[in-house]
Amino acid sequence: SYDLTQPPSVSVSPGQTASISCSGDTLGNKYASWYQQKPGQSPVLVIYQNNKRPSGVPERFSGSNSGNTATLTISGAQPVHEADYFCQAWDSDTAVFGGGTKLTVL
Amino acid sequence: QVQLVESGGGVVQPGTSLRLSCAASGFTFNIYAFHWVRQAPGKGLEWVASISYYEINKYYADSVKGRFTVSRGNSRNMVYLQMNSLTSEDTAVYYCARGGTIRAVAGDHFDSWGQGTLLSVSS
Repeated sequence: SYDLTQPPSVSVSPGQTASISCSGDTLGNKYASWYQQKPGQSPVLVIYQNNKRPSGVPERFSGSNSGNTATLTISGAQPVHEADYFCQAWDSDTAVFGGGTKLTVL
Repeated sequence: QVQLVESGGGVVQPGTSLRLSCAASGFTFNIYAFHWVRQAPGKGLEWVASISYYEINKYYADSVKGRFTVSRGNSRNMVYLQMNSLTSEDTAVYYCARGGTIRAVAGDHFDSWGQGTLLSVSS
């Protein structure tokens, strides 16, 4: 089965850039998506097709995907961005999620 | 605006069956694929099943293949997940999500999510 690996946690100070990685075999050949989930809430799409932002998602959210690693970058992270972030990709007819990364901004 | 409302969750005993429903509104229903994603308490997201816009293609996670069946009613703007032979491993919040690209299924992202419905399988 196909696996996506994320660091369990990332911590940054307010105003710094937060980078969250997602690793998988030849992930760069697939589309990666990213979802933000705050406690008690449903996931929200923040990046799709590697680097596209849905309407309403701020420009501070960006994505890249090359080789075996996709990366979600949050520029000027603020406490409001504290959440769990999940990467996702498809392997043939199977959707796969990464284990999630808890972003702490303090 | 896009709205997805799941229902049908509850507490059931191992070995029993249950059907979850997802009511969609605010968009043209029959040109989108839909997906079910679950989240066990305190855990990450797990994809469960997907159904294409015309119900021709259905895909399942290995963990539910042969036990769960996804379907849709295009005339009623509804998506369903029939779950049989439930075990404690199926305990989770189940989310209904819309595919982000018209007429796509596999390879698509999930652009809108419902609030989820909680299934607890316990004796």
